[in-house]
Amino acid sequence: DAGVIQSPRHEVTEMGQEVTLRCKPISGHNSLFWYRQTMMRGLELLIYFNNNVPIDDSGMPEDRFSAKMPNASFSTLKIQPSEPRDSAVYFCASSPGTGGGGYEKLFFGSGTQLSVL
Amino acid sequence: DAKTTQPTSMDCAEGRAANLPCNHSTISGNEYVYWYRQIHSQGPQYIIHGLKNNETNEMASLIITEDRKSSTLILPHATLRDTAVYYCIVSGDYKLSFGAGTTVTVRA
Repeated sequence: DAGVIQSPRHEVTEMGQEVTLRCKPISGHNSLFWYRQTMMRGLELLIYFNNNVPIDDSGMPEDRFSAKMPNASFSTLKIQPSEPRDSAVYFCASSPGTGGGGYEKLFFGSGTQLSVL
Repeated sequence: DAKTTQPTSMDCAEGRAANLPCNHSTISGNEYVYWYRQIHSQGPQYIIHGLKNNETNEMASLIITEDRKSSTLILPHATLRDTAVYYCIVSGDYKLSFGAGTTVTVRA
């Protein structure tokens, strides 16, 4: 199993540009999570999908952030327009659990290091 | 979700057992205790979880006190590759809140 695959590994862009981060979860997993990690705030949950449906997007910072999961094997996190304060490592994780009442064993990808200049 | 308290950092000698404490005095009955670790420049890695009973797997052992207000993660034979930030998390649903964790440095 290749694990959770994220792309790109690194992204450098200029303020105002659109950024799209991609994630391929582990096959058969029905939960997908996007996290953001910064030195100041640590790891923060941005959004949670279950069976391709967004269940909790309360962690999405603002309207500039959007996430989609068009099918069970692909998800995107888009930032438009990007700002320097969006610079962080963005992790995607998947889980075989269904959430709510059961334990969650998350498998994380290697992350995307985003730098907005 | 219940809040957890962990030491900021700890050192461990290579080959010795590493005992990582975690306090979670406000844990609820349906909340699990999870341990993850994050090696530098990598995504967090699941280690172990438990509800009430002690648990052991190929990576570590988890000891949960009878009142469930605290737990200890045991790495039986620490190696240099175990140097990482270790997160103790308490949750009853999909939301895993990663705090600051304990930075564990294994020294030769």
